[in-house]
Amino acid sequence: DVKVTQSSRYLVKRTGEKVFLECVQDMDHENMFWYRQDPGLGLRLIYFSYDVKMKEKGDIPEGYSVSREKKERFSLILESASTNQTSMYLCASGLPPDLSYEQYFGPGTRLTVT
Amino acid sequence: KNQVEQSPQSLIILEGKNCTLQCNYTVSPFSNLRWYKQDTGRGPVSLTIMTFSENTKSNGRYTATLDADTKQSSLHITASQLSDSASYICVVSGNFGNEKLTFGTGTRLTIIP
Repeated sequence: DVKVTQSSRYLVKRTGEKVFLECVQDMDHENMFWYRQDPGLGLRLIYFSYDVKMKEKGDIPEGYSVSREKKERFSLILESASTNQTSMYLCASGLPPDLSYEQYFGPGTRLTVT
Repeated sequence: KNQVEQSPQSLIILEGKNCTLQCNYTVSPFSNLRWYKQDTGRGPVSLTIMTFSENTKSNGRYTATLDADTKQSSLHITASQLSDSASYICVVSGNFGNEKLTFGTGTRLTIIP
């Protein structure tokens, strides 16, 4: 069974704090993704990575950065949290698309910035 | 602009009944269409993935259909169970990879005993 875990289910941070969200997958997947999910908007891609040390901007990268030092771990960083970054954050992993279209999602981190 | 529209936004049905959820999309080019189930407070879980050449795919009591000509898909749930209560999200891929996915906003399904 593929397992994607996220470091926290719920997180409350203050405006201006630096926030780290961690994601770990145990299936040796090359591809990893960070999304945010807001009511009425669907999932939106923040950043993705196809390999260690590689990162690509998604549709809404502003205010975020990422780090992928090891294949199994993909971190999302909010350099200076703001209230409009209050959201559900979902991590996903998958194989290269020539092998499989499947994406496996983690349980999500609900972040509240006050 | 690539869009995925789902209907209805929410649906309440009695346990044991069937239901059908709709998905219309304007994504182009088209690679594949997926249906996900998302329980409250959880990440989405894949139900089916269909490419251009597939028009029906089943996963247990879930059957998805795809009409690539009219750009419509449906998800049919047979003999609903309380555990089917969840949001169902339609996702369309515009290219070969997973970085160009367009997500619908989901249909919230509630099964009542």
